[in-house]
Amino acid sequence: QQQVKQSPQSLIVQKGGISIINCAYENTAFDYFPWYQQFPGKGPALLIAIRPDVSEKKEGRFTISFNKSAKQFSLHIMDSQPGDSATYFCAASPGTYKYIFGTGTRLKVLA
Amino acid sequence: DTAVSQTPKYLVTQMGNDKSIKCEQNLGHDTMYWYKQDSKKFLKIMFSYNNKELIINETVPNRFSPKSPDKAHLNLHINSLELGDSAVYFCASSLPGQGYEQYFGPGTRLTVT
Repeated sequence: QQQVKQSPQSLIVQKGGISIINCAYENTAFDYFPWYQQFPGKGPALLIAIRPDVSEKKEGRFTISFNKSAKQFSLHIMDSQPGDSATYFCAASPGTYKYIFGTGTRLKVLA
Repeated sequence: DTAVSQTPKYLVTQMGNDKSIKCEQNLGHDTMYWYKQDSKKFLKIMFSYNNKELIINETVPNRFSPKSPDKAHLNLHINSLELGDSAVYFCASSLPGQGYEQYFGPGTRLTVT
């Protein structure tokens, strides 16, 4: 199955709170999992990425948790800020030159 | 300096017309992509090119024809435009292979009336 299921579709978080976005996949051939951030009117930009040999990766306030057996991965945004308000996409790569994107999560962080 | 640029930013045209979108990257990457983002923000890969050669064609109608005159450019020509072609089209580039960051352009919003 060449799909990546992403939830929730939208998320509202108070400033300083934790934002959590989840993704699930079926294809065990996927072996690279990036997260992209997209602001209105802009192209997506890479936020953080992980490979399945690692269960967690942290960069600043952003953490990816990866559960290979469950075929799930999630993005945690700690101390969420209004400037984090954007659409977030998980993605998975089943091989060279191809990326499958999730359906996106629209995050709004309230000041 | 803009890493990945696209022209035009907006394109409004009528059904049945033919139009082109241009993409240029100055990152020295060998691999370039075209993506379509629909009104629900769903982002779907259309084509992947490596070193000017087509690698991936994701069952895109043959009205869409990409052309890569050199490694820094990947243009998209669309024939006989249909209402369903209305979307934002993104060009992206990366180093070749898997696991490299894709750099996206600012997008071209195509509206077909």
